[in-house]
Amino acid sequence: AQTVTQSQPEMSVQEAETVTLSCTYDTSESDYYLFWYKQPPSRQMILVIRQEAYKQQNATENRFSVNFQKAAKSFSLKISDSQLGDAAMYFCAYRNPPNFGNEKLTFGTGTRLTIIP
Amino acid sequence: ETGVTQTPRHLVMGMTNKKSLKCEQHLGHNAMYWYKQSAKKPLELMFVYSLEERVENNSVPSRFSPECPNSSHLFLHLHTLQPEDSALYLCASSQDLVRSTDTQYFGPGTRLTVL
Repeated sequence: AQTVTQSQPEMSVQEAETVTLSCTYDTSESDYYLFWYKQPPSRQMILVIRQEAYKQQNATENRFSVNFQKAAKSFSLKISDSQLGDAAMYFCAYRNPPNFGNEKLTFGTGTRLTIIP
Repeated sequence: ETGVTQTPRHLVMGMTNKKSLKCEQHLGHNAMYWYKQSAKKPLELMFVYSLEERVENNSVPSRFSPECPNSSHLFLHLHTLQPEDSALYLCASSQDLVRSTDTQYFGPGTRLTVL
């Protein structure tokens, strides 16, 4: 079974600085998808960024980028120029390859990010 | 993000009550999901529906009963719950089930407290 591990329950960063959230996963598959979701105090889970395992290039979305190390099964999220609105719980998630009836997101336990003004 | 809505946002119920959670998606998606989020635990997938047909049930107790009358609506009927069922229940939808490229979009959740 796939597992996702986020070893940092809490992180904090000074506003405008850069922070990296770590995520590791375990799978025997070669093709899969990885996601970072953000859950602010409003509780709505919002997709931040996703990475296809077959792509070597790291995904980037504005101030958010990932460091995808497939061999190490590592998928860290880097947030540049941190803003107060980035304060949230961040979840790393893994998705199975295409297999009807077996589509599921496996989530890590989350990292709570605090932005220090 | 208003693509997926959930009502109520908060619910307090006794163990003998019967209540229902409602989820509605306005994105034209074909797949819908129920998740349970408990403190300090990963999100747990409960049910998956594709085109109104249940395709996955992750060993969820029968006191949770899902219903998907159409592709836009998903319900979770609750009866004789236990205090350990208190959690945040999240609904999500995605365009289709079979394509791994599809992103799941989440609703704001229902905070359930069972007394």
